[in-house]
Parts: sequence; C-alpha cells; structure tokens
Amino acid sequence: EVQLVESGGGLVQPGRSLRLSCAASGFTFDDFAMHWVRQAPGKGLEWVSGISWNSLNIDYADSVKGRFTISRDNAKNSLYLQLNSLRPEDTALYYCAKNFGYQLDSWGQGTLVTVSS
Amino acid sequence: DIVLTQSPGTLSLSPGERATLSCRPSQSVTSRYLAWYQQIPGQAPKLLIYGASTRATGIPDRFSGSGSGTDFTLTINRLEPEDFAVYYCQHYHLSRYTFGQGTKLEIK
Repeated sequence: EVQLVESGGGLVQPGRSLRLSCAASGFTFDDFAMHWVRQAPGKGLEWVSGISWNSLNIDYADSVKGRFTISRDNAKNSLYLQLNSLRPEDTALYYCAKNFGYQLDSWGQGTLVTVSS
Repeated sequence: DIVLTQSPGTLSLSPGERATLSCRPSQSVTSRYLAWYQQIPGQAPKLLIYGASTRATGIPDRFSGSGSGTDFTLTINRLEPEDFAVYYCQHYHLSRYTFGQGTKLEIK
C-alpha cells in the first residue's frame, strides 16, 4: 500500500523559512516523479512544484518560483520542499503527491503551514 | 496558461439521483491530460478518472468521465451518501498541473 506522510509544517513569521518532508513507502520511490500541491484554508488545489525521478527535471508554480526549492533523496525514499521568504498567502495545507502518467494517483494527508506574525 | 472552469459551483442533489459536473478548459486540450479528483472534507484528494474517461483503481462504475477538446464531464449515477464532496478537474501540461476551482456536490 502506498503511503505518503508529510511533516515539518507549523506557524512561522513572514519572511522566515520552513522545510517540509514527505516520507514515502509502499512503492519504488525512485521510479516516479513527485509533486507538492497546496490548499489554502477553504480554497481549491494549487500545484506548487514537481521533480522527476532523477531530480534532473524540476518545475515551480510562478507564485513560488525563486522562493521554494524542491528536492528528493531516493536513498531515503523522501521528498522535500524548502520554503523561504514566506508570505501570509503561502498559508496552506501542503500535500505530497505521487505522479502517475499525467495525474497524481496517491496523496499524503498534508502538513499545515501558517504564515503569520 | 490554460484555465479550467468548472460548473456549477455547487450542485444540490438527493441520494439516488444523477450528478453531471462540467469542466471547460480555456483552450482545447488533449483528453489524455485531463483527470478528475474527489475530495471529502478533511481528507486528501483522491484520483477518480484519468485520460478523461478511465476509472482509477477501485473507483465504482457509477463514476464515468467523458468529453474532449474544451468540454469535459464527470457523471455520477445513483448518488451514494459518500459521494457528496468537492470534485476537481485537472490538466497536465509540460510537467505542470492546473486544477479547476472545484464543484461542491451537496445533499439536497
């Protein structure tokens, strides 16, 4: 059974940083691209960033480009998202999701990031 | 960028009825890149349909997807109580994902 468990969220002041982690199990992690998707409170889904299986292809939403950095450690079956220069509008539940073709077939339960002074 | 517009915003129906949800991309898209998700409040999204019409593993056959180009539909036959949730369509393009704003299916 595929399991994705996010961690690292919390309350942080504007301008500060946070690092999110996603621990994967139940599948061959280094066979799949991985993504981060976020959901602001009461709002819809917003794709944030994606990384290929070998980390050679990385992309970001325009709203986070230059501030967030995605990475992965295939030896540890883990995905990461470094969030810098955080803004109140980055407040959201951040999901880790497994790529399958042209869609996301498995999602974690999310980790909540709150940016507030 | 392609914008996905979902309608209606909210759909009020009773168990046993049929739900028809619409997703309209701002320009023509390849069906292969169109998917649907269900999100029950407090839970993560779940993949329902991919390639516009293929059910994901374990999804009941009362869920079906159709459409092409700029007009896609998710149909849910014989609504069950657990089907009342928010539904999102999604498009893939050049390693990026775009989601519609969602349709809330509520019990009438």
